[in-house]
Amino acid sequence: EIVLTQSPGTLSLSPGERATLSCRASQSVGYLTWYQQKPGQAPRLLIYRTSNRATGTPDRFSGSGSGTDFTLTISRLEPEDYAVYYCQRYGGSPLFTFGPGTKVDF
Amino acid sequence: EVRLVESGGGLVQPGGSLRLSCAASGFTFSGPWMSWVRQAPGKGLEWVANIKGDGSRTYHVDSVRGRFTVSRDDAKSSLYLQMTGLEAEDTAVYYCAKVGTSENLDYWGQGTLVTVSS
Repeated sequence: EIVLTQSPGTLSLSPGERATLSCRASQSVGYLTWYQQKPGQAPRLLIYRTSNRATGTPDRFSGSGSGTDFTLTISRLEPEDYAVYYCQRYGGSPLFTFGPGTKVDF
Repeated sequence: EVRLVESGGGLVQPGGSLRLSCAASGFTFSGPWMSWVRQAPGKGLEWVANIKGDGSRTYHVDSVRGRFTVSRDDAKSSLYLQMTGLEAEDTAVYYCAKVGTSENLDYWGQGTLVTVSS
């Protein structure tokens, strides 16, 4: 079973700062997906196939990486970006695997 | 506009059963795979089950296999999760989600809370 590890657990930044979130897989994976979840809300698809922004995702969000190391970058934090971010891979067992999440707070 | 609306959650005793439903609209329901994902209070996301567009194939996470069954009724644009033998560890918000074309979950419902407690 491939395990996803996200770091840091919490990222404390001010509006306007750059956020760099890491997701590391225990084995090489093809693609990675990123979701954003705000308190009391369902997760929302943010980035798919490692670097493609989903419909409605602002261009300050970017994804990169390959193999076992992936990164979600928020170039300049906006107030609405404070949330928990999850990475996810598909395939094998279980079919969908999520990382534990990174909380971005002020 | 894609819309997924879950229902059927509630308080149930350990060992009890519950059936969750998810009403879908805004897309051709019979096409895509659909998923159930859960989130225990204050915890992360856990995939629970998947079902193919025609219902011919299903997958369940090991922790629920044999207790939970995913199904769908394409005529009613509805997804279901039959849960039996419920345990305290099954307490969570259960989300219905549509599987996108790129191995992701592109639309999610608002979730329904299942609490297993005596």
